[in-house]
Amino acid sequence: GAGVSQTPSNKVTEKGKYVELRCDPISGHTALYWYRQSLGQGPEFLIYFQGTGAADDSGLPNDRFFAVRPEGSVSTLKIQRTERGDSAVYLCASSSGGATGELFFGEGSRLTVL
Amino acid sequence: GEDVEQSLFLSVREGDSSVINCTYTDSSSTYLYWYKQEPGAGLQLLTYIFSNMDMKQDQRLTVLLNKKDKHLSLRIADTQTGDSAIYFCAERVNRDDKIIFGKGTRLHILP
Repeated sequence: GAGVSQTPSNKVTEKGKYVELRCDPISGHTALYWYRQSLGQGPEFLIYFQGTGAADDSGLPNDRFFAVRPEGSVSTLKIQRTERGDSAVYLCASSSGGATGELFFGEGSRLTVL
Repeated sequence: GEDVEQSLFLSVREGDSSVINCTYTDSSSTYLYWYKQEPGAGLQLLTYIFSNMDMKQDQRLTVLLNKKDKHLSLRIADTQTGDSAIYFCAERVNRDDKIIFGKGTRLHILP
C-alpha cells in the first residue's frame, strides 16, 4: 500500500479482555517495528521483525504481550488480560532495511482499557 | 543500556533560530535521527546523520553531532509557525538495528 496502515485506529476495551492490533506495512518493506507511546512520552520500543522472525523483542513489557508476522508482511500485536496501564497509542513502523534505516510510521492504534 | 535524553519544551519567537538538544548513551550508534510529529499526525523523518559525520545541513536544518560527548543538536533557522511540533531524537543501535527514541521536545512558536 501507499503507507503503513494500522487497524483499528481506536479500541476501547475492558480490563481483562484480549486485544489484537494489526499493522499492514509498506509493500516490500522487510523490517517492521512496534512501539508504544503514552501521553507526553516518546515512542517506547516493543519489538522488531526482520522478515518473519522477531529480531529483537526485548521491549515487550511482559508475557501478556506477543506479536507475530507469519508471512513477513502484516503483523499483529496481541495483548492478553489487558490492564489499565496498557492504555496508550500503539505505533507500527516499517523500513526497507536500506542503509539509513528510515522508519515510516502509521498513525497508530489508540487503546483505552477501562 | 540505551537511553536518549532531550529537554521537553522550547519556546522560540517566529523568525529566530531554534536549537533542540539531545544526548544518547550507546557509543555503538550508527545513525542518529530527528523525527517530527505534528498534532494528530504520525512521526515523520526530518533528517538524519551518520555517526562518522559531525555536521549535516539541509536547507533550514543543521544537525551537529559531537560523538565524544554523545550530543546531537538540531538547529532550525528562521523558525516558522509551521515548525510547531514535537521533535524526537532517535538512535540506531548498531548491534541489532533497534531504533530508540527520546521523549520528544515540544517546540512552541511565539508570534
